[in-house]
Amino acid sequence: DTAVSQTPKYLVTQMGNDKSIKCEQNLGHDTMYWYKQDSKKFLKIMFSYNNKELIINETVPNRFSPKSPDKAHLNLHINSLELGDSAVYFCASSPHFGAGTEAFFGQGTRLTVV
Amino acid sequence: DAKTTQPPSMDCAEGRAANLPCNHSTISGNEYVYWYRQIHSQGPQYIIHGLKNNETNEMASLIITEDRKSSTLILPHATLRDTAVYYCIVPSGGYNKLIFGAGTRLAVHP
Repeated sequence: DTAVSQTPKYLVTQMGNDKSIKCEQNLGHDTMYWYKQDSKKFLKIMFSYNNKELIINETVPNRFSPKSPDKAHLNLHINSLELGDSAVYFCASSPHFGAGTEAFFGQGTRLTVV
Repeated sequence: DAKTTQPPSMDCAEGRAANLPCNHSTISGNEYVYWYRQIHSQGPQYIIHGLKNNETNEMASLIITEDRKSSTLILPHATLRDTAVYYCIVPSGGYNKLIFGAGTRLAVHP
């Protein structure tokens, strides 16, 4: 079983559209994250939720809205997509938000905005 | 976050040990050192982490200097599948907020 799974794996869409990326973890972890990796290959944290509560919001445009219906799921909804949103988005989870624990990453969703 | 400095790239022959250095001279006493890697087009993969003592698991060993200002990740017998970008990360504030730098691109060759 995949520990952290994201869907879809690839997403091609036009500018101005609204899209969602789903993430699920079956590890029983309390904390989930979204990261963005742009064309320059830098990984940047976007959001983190701990027990369904937002604890990190890294100056991400409000077109990006994470939603956590339960602690096993953290979905990312993006409104009014722009060309600059093209990137690979990674979901991750960790047992808790404190130091000393490892994070497990999904395989990524490659978003292409045309 | 505590700033980490890594060489941009390294080479290693297959079957030999790969020693990847990391400087984190501003690390605080309660901050961990983490190592992750990213194999091309895949999600980052956790390797190992430590606080003060050296650590070893099935993937690698982590050697932390006594003053904790630097560390070395050791892959004892590198294989072609270890070719990846390796990230040394020191999250700050007692939280598991990972800030990825440019990492070290390790190329393992036959």
